[in-house]
Amino acid sequence: QQPVQSPQAVILREGEDAVINCSSSKALYSVHWYRQKHGEAPVFLMILLKGGEQKGHEKISASFNEKKQQSSLYLTASQLSYSGTYFCGTEAGGSARQLTFGSGTQLTVLP
Amino acid sequence: NAGVTQTPKFQVLKTGQSMTLQCAQDMNHNSMYWYRQDPGMGLRLIYYSASEGTTDKGEVPNGYNVSRLNKREFSLRLESAAPSQTSVYFCASSEFGDTQYFGPGTRLTVL
Repeated sequence: QQPVQSPQAVILREGEDAVINCSSSKALYSVHWYRQKHGEAPVFLMILLKGGEQKGHEKISASFNEKKQQSSLYLTASQLSYSGTYFCGTEAGGSARQLTFGSGTQLTVLP
Repeated sequence: NAGVTQTPKFQVLKTGQSMTLQCAQDMNHNSMYWYRQDPGMGLRLIYYSASEGTTDKGEVPNGYNVSRLNKREFSLRLESAAPSQTSVYFCASSEFGDTQYFGPGTRLTVL
């Protein structure tokens, strides 16, 4: 089942902060975050694993609430280059190691 | 080090025609994936290959077949294209549930 992302879209001024949320109805093993610019391929940002391990972009932070099956991506002091669509991908565990992606959050950073 | 490459970049087909989308990765990854992305939507998994010699259905496999030719290559075949298969197709590879690296995509139009 597809995770739910919120908000669907957000517009910021350069330097402002934003939070993007991802919620699943399934027990999760990991949450992955990707950013996609128009006409390009998705690019990896973060992985958050059950148990607290995380790795990814040094200027972006995220959290994973295992009890609530929720993850949040925190974009602080946003830059123009942060504009794009952000997707969370959730992994329910098991041997499949496949991701189910949300429908995305479109972030626009204005000068 | 090219990462993940896909061919062709663009394709126009008539209803009922067949074609094969090619994907290759040079990162020695075990897992490979095929996704489709429709306008304003997230990525939906068509098929994946957890390791060489294995393939499994994803969320939307109908109308598609795949072949994991070797560890590097994973192809997607449309046997009889339909307008509903108009989409952008992305191939990705990863190492056992780790970061997925995406190819540049194939933009397919079925008339």
